[in-house]
Amino acid sequence: DGGITQSPKYLFRKEGQNVTLSCEQNLNHDAMYWYRQDPGQGLRLIYYSQIVNDFQKGDIAEGYSVSREKKESFPLTVTSAQKNPTAFYLCASSQVAAQETQYFGPGTRLLVL
Amino acid sequence: GQQLNQSPQSMFIQEGEDVSMNCTSSSIFNTWLWYKQDPGEGPVLLIALYKAGELTSNGRLTAQFGITRKDSFLNISASIPSDVGIYFCAGRLIKAAGNKLTFGGGTRVLVKP
Repeated sequence: DGGITQSPKYLFRKEGQNVTLSCEQNLNHDAMYWYRQDPGQGLRLIYYSQIVNDFQKGDIAEGYSVSREKKESFPLTVTSAQKNPTAFYLCASSQVAAQETQYFGPGTRLLVL
Repeated sequence: GQQLNQSPQSMFIQEGEDVSMNCTSSSIFNTWLWYKQDPGEGPVLLIALYKAGELTSNGRLTAQFGITRKDSFLNISASIPSDVGIYFCAGRLIKAAGNKLTFGGGTRVLVKP
């Protein structure tokens, strides 16, 4: 089945630790996105990538980093510089052509110990 | 910052009722999307709208792309308990880089006690 997978479902981070969230898609989509969702809030864009080896900052990129070495994969690292990392992180993908819709993965909940 | 105003923020439904929610903006969009999110899961696409005035249905759901291109609404007819969740509107600005979407804050649909 085609789709987007995110792992792990839950992730715990210690103070000062970097953690990496995985996102994989087998939809053959060129574009991938990372969003952050806080309780009772909408989605805010962290980073996005339209092609392998290229990515752009979204609205709240500080404290995060990404890589896009393969079309299928777009991992997100939450660095120690992100002082308030507790949130629900959602990965999405789409075709690059104009007006293509975005499809979401199941999300990863990050908690700070 | 957020450019989409979604209302109401929350609503209670009784089984069998019709409910409506809407999104408005001061900006013009060329795409409107409606998503539903269940607790702890990623948003699932319900309806996509691409032309001003377009009215599209998906089962008991009906959504419209406003004529001014600055608003959209979603109707749920004959609501059932599984309609509970958070509904998000998302729009794509005419010259959005990277097919980026702007999300509303969500409408939380709850069942009347």
